[in-house]
Amino acid sequence: AQTVTQSQPEMSVQEAETVTLSCTYDTSESDYYLFWYKQPPSRQMILVIRQEAYKQQNATENRFSVNFQKAAKSFSLKISDSQLGDAAMYFCAYWSYSTLTFGKGTMLLVSP
Amino acid sequence: SQTIHQWPATLVQPVGSPLSLECTVEGTSNPNLYWYRQAAGRGLQLLFYSVGIGQISSEVPQNLSASRPQDRQFILSSKKLLLSDSGFYLCAWSVSSGEYNEQFFGPGTRLTVL
Repeated sequence: AQTVTQSQPEMSVQEAETVTLSCTYDTSESDYYLFWYKQPPSRQMILVIRQEAYKQQNATENRFSVNFQKAAKSFSLKISDSQLGDAAMYFCAYWSYSTLTFGKGTMLLVSP
Repeated sequence: SQTIHQWPATLVQPVGSPLSLECTVEGTSNPNLYWYRQAAGRGLQLLFYSVGIGQISSEVPQNLSASRPQDRQFILSSKKLLLSDSGFYLCAWSVSSGEYNEQFFGPGTRLTVL
């Protein structure tokens, strides 16, 4: 079974600074997708960024980018120019064969 | 545009009472539907998913069940709630065709079992 591990229960960053959230996963599959979801206090799950395993190029969405290391099974999220609105729980997730497996999440605190 | 609804938004139930949570999707046909549970301090755990009316796959054996009586309706039920059933329940949908399709989540239901 696939597992997703987020080793940082909580991270802090100041506005305008950069923060990196870590995620590792375990799988025997070669084709899969990886995601970062954001869950603000409203509890609504919002997709932040997606990475296809067959793509070597790291995905980027505005201030959000990933460092995907397939051999190491590592998938970290970098948030540049952090904003107060980035404060939320962030979940790393793995997709294969129609099901998503989530990590336990990292709470990101953003201070002015 | 597609929207997903869940109700109720919050629910407080005694141990041993029945449960019925409803999820409906608008603006799409034949979606894949999912029920997740998020316990305190934990990630989302997939409970059930459905690829069509009457087709339910269970990921975790427990005292919960799911049904899909209509194409865009997904119901999570229990005959007798346990304390451990407390949590935040999220419904999600995705397009059924293609290799991968993004899952869109509903607003969730917070269930407290006392």
